[in-house]
Amino acid sequence: GNSVTQMEGPVTLSEEAFLTINCTYTATGYPSLFWYVQYPGEGLQLLLKATKADDKGSNKGFEATYRKETTSFHLEKGSVQVSDSAVYFCALSDRTGGFKTIFGAGTRLFVKA
Amino acid sequence: SQTIHQWPATLVQPVGSPLSLECTVEGTSNPNLYWYRQAAGRGLQLLFYSVGIGQISSEVPQNLSASRPQDRQFILSSKKLLLSDSGFYLCAWSRGENQPQHFGDGTRLSIL
Repeated sequence: GNSVTQMEGPVTLSEEAFLTINCTYTATGYPSLFWYVQYPGEGLQLLLKATKADDKGSNKGFEATYRKETTSFHLEKGSVQVSDSAVYFCALSDRTGGFKTIFGAGTRLFVKA
Repeated sequence: SQTIHQWPATLVQPVGSPLSLECTVEGTSNPNLYWYRQAAGRGLQLLFYSVGIGQISSEVPQNLSASRPQDRQFILSSKKLLLSDSGFYLCAWSRGENQPQHFGDGTRLSIL
C-alpha cells in the first residue's frame, strides 16, 4: 500500500539557517505529493504541491522537488525565520488510494532567534 | 472562494456524554469530506470520509460515527464518549483524487 516516511523531529535551527526535512514515499500509482504546515493550535495548511516527476513546488521560500527515481520529496528553505516554527507534514494522494491522502507523521521545527 | 467552518473550537465533555461536531464548506459543490483526529504531538488519523450525501466510509472502528445530511455538511457524533476520544479533531475537504485537502481550524476535545 501507499506510505509516507518523513524524518523524525524535532528539528531545531537558528534563524537564517538552511532547512531540509526529508520525505520518502511508496506508491503503487503516480501520486501527487504535498507539504502541509500546521501552526500551534491550528489546522493544516497546504504549503506546496507537485503533481508529476521533476516538478518543483514552491511557496513562501520553501521548495520541494518530486524525485521519482529516489521516491523522495524533500522540503528545503534557504533561510528560516522564527515564524517558520511549526509542524510540517509530507503527504501523497493517488488514484489507487481512492479519495484518501496518506500523511507522514509530521516533523516539528523550532527556529531560535 | 471556498471556506470551511468547524465548531465548536473547544469542547470539554464528561465521560459517557454524547458528542456532535459540525463542519460546513462554502463556495464549492460535491466536495469530498474528511474527519481526522490528532492526538497531542502526533500525526493525523483518518476517521471517516465521504464522497457524497449519505455516503460514509469508516477507517477505524470505534464509538464514533459520521453523517452527511447535506452536500456541504459533515457531522461527527458519539453516543457515549470515552477518555480515549480526547484529541484535536480536524475536518477537511477536497475536490477529488490527487487534489490537496483544505482543513478547518479544528476542535479541541477534552474528556473529563
